[in-house]
Amino acid sequence: AQSVAQPEDQVNVAEGNPLTVKCTYSVSGNPYLFWYVQYPNRGLQFLLKYITGDNLVKGSYGFEAEFNKSQTSFHLKKPSALVSDSALYFCAVRDMANTDKLIFGTGTRLQVFP
Amino acid sequence: DAGVIQSPRHEVTEMGQEVTLRCKPISGHDYLFWYRQTMMRGLELLIYFNNNVPIDDSGMPEDRFSAKMPNASFSTLKIQPSEPRDSAVYFCASSLPGRQETQYFGPGTRLLVL
Repeated sequence: AQSVAQPEDQVNVAEGNPLTVKCTYSVSGNPYLFWYVQYPNRGLQFLLKYITGDNLVKGSYGFEAEFNKSQTSFHLKKPSALVSDSALYFCAVRDMANTDKLIFGTGTRLQVFP
Repeated sequence: DAGVIQSPRHEVTEMGQEVTLRCKPISGHDYLFWYRQTMMRGLELLIYFNNNVPIDDSGMPEDRFSAKMPNASFSTLKIQPSEPRDSAVYFCASSLPGRQETQYFGPGTRLLVL
């Protein structure tokens, strides 16, 4: 079965510091991977996706993610965190074996302190 | 475009009552998804439609839940009878043809069943 895991419930980082939100995946075949963000009292918003090609994918709001096949990871990164980046981040994988729906991870709460 | 529209934004009801949640997808989108989000279970896909046809309803918890999409611009999720464990935030999302992984979420309906 296709799945993603987000090992950290919460990540704390100081403003201006680099941030990493971790995601590992388990799929059969080539993975289609995604990051979404949820701000308080809002629906999820698409950030970026990896389908094929370059292992470093750039997305919205200065975020990027690095696909690492050997480590089965797709970590979300940003060189310099902003307080406004504080939100809930979801990693997701497309379930190619079963109707192509997205399977979301449990989410990681990012807290950026001034 | 106004984005995905959901109504009501908040609903408080008593156990046993019927609850109907409504969604208007973005014009031109032919995928529509219903999700449920709780602290305990995270984000769960309940059902999704393509061109008004249900594709995967494996996430619908039980027969008390039903969803319809009578046309391309409207969908409902009905709970009858409602129970306290149905309390959650329900999100509707839509996506463009062939782009079901890039989903646009509505603001959600916060449901409280007393």
